[in-house]
Amino acid sequence: DTGVSQDPRHKITKRGQNVTFRCDPISEHNRLYWYRQTLGQGPEFLTYFQNEAQLEKSRLLSNRFSAERPKGSFSTLEIQRTEQGDSAMYLCASSSWTGTYYEQYFGPGTRLTVT
Amino acid sequence: SQKIEQNSEALNIQEGKTATLTCNYTNYSPAYLQWYRQDPGRGPVFLLLIRENEKEKRKERLKVTFDTTLKQSLFHITASQPADSATYLCALRNAGNMLTFGGGTRLMVKP
Repeated sequence: DTGVSQDPRHKITKRGQNVTFRCDPISEHNRLYWYRQTLGQGPEFLTYFQNEAQLEKSRLLSNRFSAERPKGSFSTLEIQRTEQGDSAMYLCASSSWTGTYYEQYFGPGTRLTVT
Repeated sequence: SQKIEQNSEALNIQEGKTATLTCNYTNYSPAYLQWYRQDPGRGPVFLLLIRENEKEKRKERLKVTFDTTLKQSLFHITASQPADSATYLCALRNAGNMLTFGGGTRLMVKP
């Protein structure tokens, strides 16, 4: 499968614990995005990378959240001191330039439940 | 503030009919608008993109219109099938080149 992959698919953690998610983009894509989606809502942008550079962060991304893409390939999203409000689906997407716009391909998501 | 609104109520239609979903936005001047399909437990899948200077775009049974005066896009699925049942999301690119999504509309096509 050459699509975007995310690991783990599901994570249950206790409030106050740290969690880390991984995203492996499509190999030739230089842009990688993280989104958060809660039930009944559309995905909300968190941050994106162009190669290894983190170019934009949403104000939704509190200082408990950090994302990295050290070699411009896979990315990790860490949440420190998790809170119940962090429970959501965390989606990763990567994109390629079609010649006129960036088309985003989404992974299956990591569903986080904070108890 | 910028808002993208989609009908939060599910749309139920009979197989073979045309489904029409609406996306309204305020305080945006988007260069383009995209439509995605999302199945339960999965990430969104890109369907169609329409630019601000395009009135209509088609792909197989799908048709999207874009009215920048009304600030509205309509998404049509003709000859709908039960397999078309999913949540459909519209998304706009903001000035920072990021996508902002609407809340999605759930479509249920009954056989």
